Amino acid sequence: AQSVAQPEDQVNVAEGNPLTVKCTYSVSGNPYLFWYVQYPNRGLQFLLKYITGDNLVKGSYGFEAEFNKSQTSFHLKKPSALVSDSALYFCAVRDEKAAGNKLTFGGGTRVLVKP
Amino acid sequence: DVKVTQSSRYLVKRTGEKVFLECVQDMDHENMFWYRQDPGLGLRLIYFSYDVKMKEKGDIPEGYSVSREKKERFSLILESASTNQTSMYLCASSPRSGRFTDTQYFGPGTRLTVL
Repeated sequence: AQSVAQPEDQVNVAEGNPLTVKCTYSVSGNPYLFWYVQYPNRGLQFLLKYITGDNLVKGSYGFEAEFNKSQTSFHLKKPSALVSDSALYFCAVRDEKAAGNKLTFGGGTRVLVKP
Repeated sequence: DVKVTQSSRYLVKRTGEKVFLECVQDMDHENMFWYRQDPGLGLRLIYFSYDVKMKEKGDIPEGYSVSREKKERFSLILESASTNQTSMYLCASSPRSGRFTDTQYFGPGTRLTVL
């Protein structure tokens, strides 16, 4: 079975400081990993994904994520946070060995960037 | 741009009513999904569909049914609404590929309140 964990319910960061949102996963085969963001009263927007290849993935709005197979992690990072990055962030995983295009989502991490 | 629309942003229904949530996508995607989003639980998959008239149960199908009569439209049905079905409902779509690595695109969500 595939599962994903986001250990922090909320992350607070000052504007201009680095932002990290943590995600760990568990799968039987190789993982396909995704990050989505949800702004208030909006649906989820795709940020980036890791399928194969370079462990550092760059995505939208200056975000990037690093795939670490030994630590089964896929943390989301941004070098300099903006107030507009305040939102709810979801990590999701699909096991290569699982049938169908089913994603399992983490519980979400709320990011609050203070001016 | 992919566009996924949902029939209502906010909906209030009474216990025991039959509720229809509609989702339409305009990108000719084969796959469509219904999730519910609850605080701290992330997104949980209710049902999904790989093709017209085809459906499969997700992780929490109890109390729900779905219909996909046309490729672009995927309906979620609550046969007899209950208060524990008060939630945010999100629809998503994705193209079909052999590796199932494609991004899912989400609608804006329907916030359903059952009184």
